[in-house]
Amino acid sequence: DADVTQTPRNRITKTGKRIMLECSQTKGHDRMYWYRQDPGLGLQLIYYSFDVKDINKGEISDGYSVSRQAQAKFSLSLESAIPNQTALYFCATSDPTGVTGELFFGEGSRLTVL
Amino acid sequence: AQSVTQPDIHITVSEGASLELRCNYSYGATPYLFWYVQSPGQGLQLLLKYFSGDTLVQGIKGFEAEFKRSQSSFNLRKPSVHWSDAAEYFCAVGASNTGKLIFGQGTTLQVKP
Repeated sequence: DADVTQTPRNRITKTGKRIMLECSQTKGHDRMYWYRQDPGLGLQLIYYSFDVKDINKGEISDGYSVSRQAQAKFSLSLESAIPNQTALYFCATSDPTGVTGELFFGEGSRLTVL
Repeated sequence: AQSVTQPDIHITVSEGASLELRCNYSYGATPYLFWYVQSPGQGLQLLLKYFSGDTLVQGIKGFEAEFKRSQSSFNLRKPSVHWSDAAEYFCAVGASNTGKLIFGQGTTLQVKP
């Protein structure tokens, strides 16, 4: 089983719908992240959490919210989806005791907003 | 402003040929540098990383990268490319061990038989 699991892997929805992307991890890491990937733009940080009580905005948080339900679970919500939120979303974790902040990624959730 | 630039959006090389993927960064603090690879339908996998010490770092799958502070570069190299290396490659930079990375736009590598 994957260390970082994202559900759903693919989702097609309509404008205005609420969408939740879920992430769970078995790596035991305190730090979790949500990144968005768009072609030609690389990955951009949406939100990150360094522990259960800590939530921080990243570069592109507008239109998104997150919930850290437990050390192992970090969900991303789109309250009212719009077409320009069509993208590939990645959850990642990192070990705060590690030296370099290396990220461990899930396999991604592809979201299409019509 | 902090940024990472990968000048080559798409590169095609023949199998067995050498490879160099370019990465330039702009970062105020001492950079922590990474190369990740993304195969189709997969997440990103770390190839190698640099934060201090020897400026030539070895990674998985036969890849290496050289940190050149004077040129603000961290180019990825492989002496002989295999067909399985076809993927998208991302350079990233961060500060300390925060995990808040800034990614380049990515370079897509195609390998010709």
